[in-house]
Order: sequence, then structure tokens, then C-alpha cells
Amino acid sequence: GENVEQHPSTLSVQEGDSAVIKCTYSDSASNYFPWYKQELGKRPQLIIDIRSNVGEKKDQRIAVTLNKTAKHFSLHITETQPEDSAVYFCAADDSNYQLIWGAGTKLIIKP
Amino acid sequence: GAVVSQHPSRVICKSGTSVKIECRSLDFQATTMFWYRQFPKQSLMLMATSNEGSKATYEQGVEKDKFLINHASLTLSTLTVTSAHPEDSSFYICSATDSSGNSPLHFGNGTRLTVT
Repeated sequence: GENVEQHPSTLSVQEGDSAVIKCTYSDSASNYFPWYKQELGKRPQLIIDIRSNVGEKKDQRIAVTLNKTAKHFSLHITETQPEDSAVYFCAADDSNYQLIWGAGTKLIIKP
Repeated sequence: GAVVSQHPSRVICKSGTSVKIECRSLDFQATTMFWYRQFPKQSLMLMATSNEGSKATYEQGVEKDKFLINHASLTLSTLTVTSAHPEDSSFYICSATDSSGNSPLHFGNGTRLTVT
């Protein structure tokens, strides 16, 4: 079955700098790769997603890249702001639209 | 956008009692709903997948007789934690999707269950 690994577990960056979180997956049949942001005690919220027919997708300060050959995808946040501080989860789909989750990355934005 | 309403947001119950958590899709038909459990500082752990009108599919290690899931309509799924124990204390989150396959998951706000 699908296995998703996410790194790093904690990431601390200076406000205004960029942050990159990386995930790898094992099932080459996976087609959908969302990223979720979860603030403490709240539900995960979809921030960006990408499908296997696309290599890169950007939405303002957030971008996701996908390398299907290497089976990895990354979240890029530019010009980080304090409100970007949260836990970020990557995921990859298997059959029946079930998502297999990464372990999460705690992003800390230092003022 | 699509909204999933989950209630209650917090519940405290005594050991041995049962607790029901509701998950409703407000503006779309949720053919599939997922129930997750999340321990502090950990990732979401899928407990079960429910499709409207059929029995839920439970993940390995999840007791189906303890975590009863009902998905009787396209807009409502319930999770009942039966004979709750302190170790069942956790954050439970539901999510839902429609049948198009192109819809992302929409999450409820979660339920913080504390069993005393």
C-alpha cells in the first residue's frame, strides 16, 4: 500500500524567508497530492493540491511541485509571515480516494 | 465552498458511557465520509471509511464494535464511541467528499472527546 514520508518534522524560518517541506510516496499509481494546514486544535484546511498530470502549481505565496518519476512532491512558501505558523500535512491518494498522510511538519516563523 | 458541520465540538463523558458525534455535509452530497482520530502532535489516523447506504470499512486495529459508524444518508454520518474509556480521549475529525473523484476532502471542525 501507499506510504508517505514527510520531512522535516519541525522547520523554523525567519519571517520573510522561504520554507520548503518535502514528501515522498511509494505508490506510483497515486494521482492526487494535497497539502493541508492545521492550526492548533482546529481542522485541517486544504491550502493547495496537485494532480499527477501537472508538475507545478502556484497560488500566490504557495507553490507545490511534483516529480512523479522520483515520487516526491514539495510545498514551497515564500515571503513567510507569522500567520503561516502551523502544522502542515502532505497526503497522497490511494484507491477509493483515501488519503495517506505524512507525519506533519511544524512550521515556526520567527519574527 | 463546501461545508462540513461536525458536532459536538467538545464533549466530556464518564467512563463506560457512549458518545455520538455527527458529521453533516451542508451543501453537497457526501457519498463518502472518513473518520479520523488525532493524538496530540501526531498526524491524522484514518479510522474508517463509510459510503452512504453501506457498512463502513474499518482500518486495521480499529474495533468496529466500539466505534460504530452509520452513514444512512448522503448528508449525515455518525460515529458512536461505545463504552468509552480514558484511552479513547482524543480529537476526532470527519471529512467528506462527493462522488466526482475531483473533489477535495472537506473537513469538519473536529470533536475533542475527554473521557473521565
